[in-house]
Amino acid sequence: AQKITQTQPGMFVQEKEAVTLDCTYDTSDPSYGLFWYKQPSSGEMIFLIYQGSYDQQNATEGRYSLNFQKARKSANLVISASQLGDSAMYFCAMRPLNAGNNRKLIWGLGTSLAVNP
Amino acid sequence: SQTIHQWPATLVQPVGSPLSLECTVEGTSNPNLYWYRQAAGRGLQLLFYSVGIGQISSEVPQNLSASRPQDRQFILSSKKLLLSDSGFYLCAWSDGQGSETQYFGPGTRLLVL
Repeated sequence: AQKITQTQPGMFVQEKEAVTLDCTYDTSDPSYGLFWYKQPSSGEMIFLIYQGSYDQQNATEGRYSLNFQKARKSANLVISASQLGDSAMYFCAMRPLNAGNNRKLIWGLGTSLAVNP
Repeated sequence: SQTIHQWPATLVQPVGSPLSLECTVEGTSNPNLYWYRQAAGRGLQLLFYSVGIGQISSEVPQNLSASRPQDRQFILSSKKLLLSDSGFYLCAWSDGQGSETQYFGPGTRLLVL
C-alpha cells in the first residue's frame, strides 16, 4: 500500500538556523513524484518543491532543498536560514507517475514548524 | 500566470441545508481540477477530481457531489449538509503534464451547526 509518514508532529527552530523535516514513503510503483507543501495559518496550501524518483540530483528551490534517499525511501525537506514566516504546517505528498488516470496524491499528516526569534 | 479562486471564504450553515462551493481557474485551459477536504488537525482527503467538462471521479462515497459545467469551473454541492461535513475545503488544479503539480486555492472554511 502507498503511504507517507511524517514522524515529527511538531518542530522548533531558531531563526536563521536550518531545519530538516522528515518524510518517509512506501510505494511499489517504479516511478513516482514527491511533493512538499506549506500551509500557513491562513489555510492556503502552497507548493514548495518537487522531486521525481528518477531525478539524478536532489531538488532545490531557493532556501528549500529536498534530501532524497531512494534506497531509504525518504524525502526530507531542508529549510535553510529559517525565517519567522516559515512557521506553518508542512505536508509531504507522493503520486505515482505512470498510473494512467490515477492522479491521487497520497498525503502525510504534516509537521508543524515554529520558528523562534 | 495562473490563479485559482474559491468562494466563499467562510460559511456557517445549519444541518440539512444545501451547499454550493465554487472554484474557478484563470490563465490555463483544460486543467485537471480537484476538491479536497481537510478536517481540523488532519491531512487532506481527496473528494473529487475532474479531467474535463462533465467528467467527475468520486473518491469517497458521501452526501457531496461535484460538477464541472465549464472548463475552468468546479463546483462542490450538497443537498443536505451533515455535521460531519464541517471542515476546510480546498480546490486545486494541475496541468495534466509531467509532475502534475497541484496548485491550491485559498480554501473555504465550512461550519455546519
